[in-house]
Amino acid sequence: DIQMTQSPSSLSASVGDRVIITCRASQTLRNYLHWYQQKPGEAPRVLIVAASRLQSGVPSRFSGSASGTDFTLTISNLQPEDSATYYCQQSNRAPYFGGGTKVEI
Amino acid sequence: DVQLVESGGGLVQPGGSLRLSCAASGFSLSTYWMSWVRQAPGKGLEWVANMRQDGGEIYYMDSVKGRLTISRDNAQNSVYLHMNNLRVEDTAVYFCARLVVVTGHYWYIDLWGRGTLVTVSS
Repeated sequence: DIQMTQSPSSLSASVGDRVIITCRASQTLRNYLHWYQQKPGEAPRVLIVAASRLQSGVPSRFSGSASGTDFTLTISNLQPEDSATYYCQQSNRAPYFGGGTKVEI
Repeated sequence: DVQLVESGGGLVQPGGSLRLSCAASGFSLSTYWMSWVRQAPGKGLEWVANMRQDGGEIYYMDSVKGRLTISRDNAQNSVYLHMNNLRVEDTAVYFCARLVVVTGHYWYIDLWGRGTLVTVSS
């Protein structure tokens, strides 16, 4: 199994802030790490794939990076609509998803 | 519209069975790997199963092996999750999901349904 440790589990920030969410993998992933956003009562949507590839339609204030087994999702200039829970997902080996980070604004 | 719509959830007693359905529209199911992902109330996302386009490769999370079975009918553009011997801990919203598979270890979910709630309780 590959364990994904996502931190923090929750955070509170203000509009305009920069927020950083981290996922640490228990093994090397070769950057096969993806980020999703889930708003209450909704299905998740993919934001970033392969650590840093922004998906079509996702605002450019979202960005991702990787360093070894550490992966970060950065939200710059935080907006009210960014209030959500964010999940990382690796695709090497189960159980795949990180535990989530709830972002409150 | 490109979408996935789940149905079949409900209340079932421990040890009972249920069949979830996922109807795809706006695209051909036969060209995609498909998946089920679940989310217990107030908890995070948990992968359940993946299935290749032709059904030739199927993968399950350990705790559902032998109890939950993914299947598909490409002609009907539908995916199913057959759930047997259900446990209280299977209570969750079950999402049907479409995968983008680049390589065996490089895949992600690009389309999700809205989910259907399964409650296992006596």
